[in-house]
Amino acid sequence: DADVTQTPRNRITKTGKRIMLECSQTKGHDRMYWYRQDPGLGLRLIYYSFDVKDINKGEISDGYSVSRQAQAKFSLSLESAIPNQTALYFCATSDFSRDTGELFFGEGSRLTVL
Amino acid sequence: GQNIDQPTEMTATEGAIVQINCTYQTSGFNGLFWYQQHAGEAPTFLSYNVLDGLEEKGRFSSFLSRSKGYSYLLLKELQMKDSASYLCAVMDSNYQLIWGAGTKLIIKP
Repeated sequence: DADVTQTPRNRITKTGKRIMLECSQTKGHDRMYWYRQDPGLGLRLIYYSFDVKDINKGEISDGYSVSRQAQAKFSLSLESAIPNQTALYFCATSDFSRDTGELFFGEGSRLTVL
Repeated sequence: GQNIDQPTEMTATEGAIVQINCTYQTSGFNGLFWYQQHAGEAPTFLSYNVLDGLEEKGRFSSFLSRSKGYSYLLLKELQMKDSASYLCAVMDSNYQLIWGAGTKLIIKP
């Protein structure tokens, strides 16, 4: 089983619909992140959380919200989806106590907004 | 502004050596990462450099020059499974990761 699990893996929705992408992890890491990836662009940070009571905006938070329900769970919501939110979304975790603070990614959630 | 530059695409031959370059301009520096990403999959960690010099890990090596804002990833004895995108990322002074757009590496037999 994957250490970082995202659901759903694929979703097609219509403009204006509310969408939630969920992420859960079994790595015991405090830090969790949501990124989006678009062709030809680097990964862009949407939101991040360093523990359950900590939520921080990233580079492109407009149109998104998050909830850190527990150490292991971090969900991303699109309150009213629009076509330019069509992208591949990744959840990631890290443990800053490690030497490198490397990120561990989920398998990705491909979202299409029509 | 902060910027990471790497070539969009490179082609190499199976069994050969390829070097993927990354140049960066960031607000501070707390380390440089290389990740591998196969098409449609999640990125996976390859290497981390925080001091100048070469870090070797099997067929893969990563080099850093902080004074030049430059790194490269060296892949030796290329295999078909090395066909992937290679992402360069720099951790800035706020410990935020700045990502390059990635280099798509195509391996030909």
